[in-house]
Amino acid sequence: RKEVEQDPGPFNVPEGATVAFNCTYSNSASQSFFWYRQDCRKEPKLLMSVYSSGNEDGRFTAQLNRASQYISLLIRDSKLSDSATYLCVVNPGKGNTGKLIFGQGTTLQVKP
Amino acid sequence: DGGITQSPKYLFRKEGQNVTLSCEQNLNHDAMYWYRQDPGQGLRLIYYSQIVNDFQKGDIAEGYSVSREKKESFPLTVTSAQKNPTAFYLCASSTAGGWEAFFGQGTRLTVV
Repeated sequence: RKEVEQDPGPFNVPEGATVAFNCTYSNSASQSFFWYRQDCRKEPKLLMSVYSSGNEDGRFTAQLNRASQYISLLIRDSKLSDSATYLCVVNPGKGNTGKLIFGQGTTLQVKP
Repeated sequence: DGGITQSPKYLFRKEGQNVTLSCEQNLNHDAMYWYRQDPGQGLRLIYYSQIVNDFQKGDIAEGYSVSREKKESFPLTVTSAQKNPTAFYLCASSTAGGWEAFFGQGTRLTVV
């Protein structure tokens, strides 16, 4: 089983749609969680961190379910500019191992 | 401006040659990482370093070598032992706790 797993998609949605991505992780001791966005042929950039209480940033909402070991990202009112690959990232370590594990990414295509 | 810089952006290597990819950061980050990304795939960890003069193998270290003589620099050498080196290589850095990782713009290596 991979340490971090995502549905690769692609997810093809019309503008204005709501879309949700899930990600599962295997190490129950994992400490921190993130969603990164990667545009085609570019480097990944942090979209948002994921907190146990859930957090929202504009149209984006991230949730963490430690009991089921999954993380979700919800995008509301999708824009054409949201088209990208979304990477789930987990720090599996205890303390300061600093090792970040990336999922394979979920591709989103928002259509006019 | 603070950031992380990779060079070169594109690199062509003949079979049997060693090549070195540069990664420099001025963010004063303790941790640095090298990832490899193949088309349509997620990021796979090659090596990472928590402090100067120390580094650990990631999931796909075979055929690669690194050094961490200075906090700011973490060069990656792709040796002739790496049988399939054509890929997109990404360097990243973070604070010691493995929180947000900042990426360089990547190096596209092609074997000719």
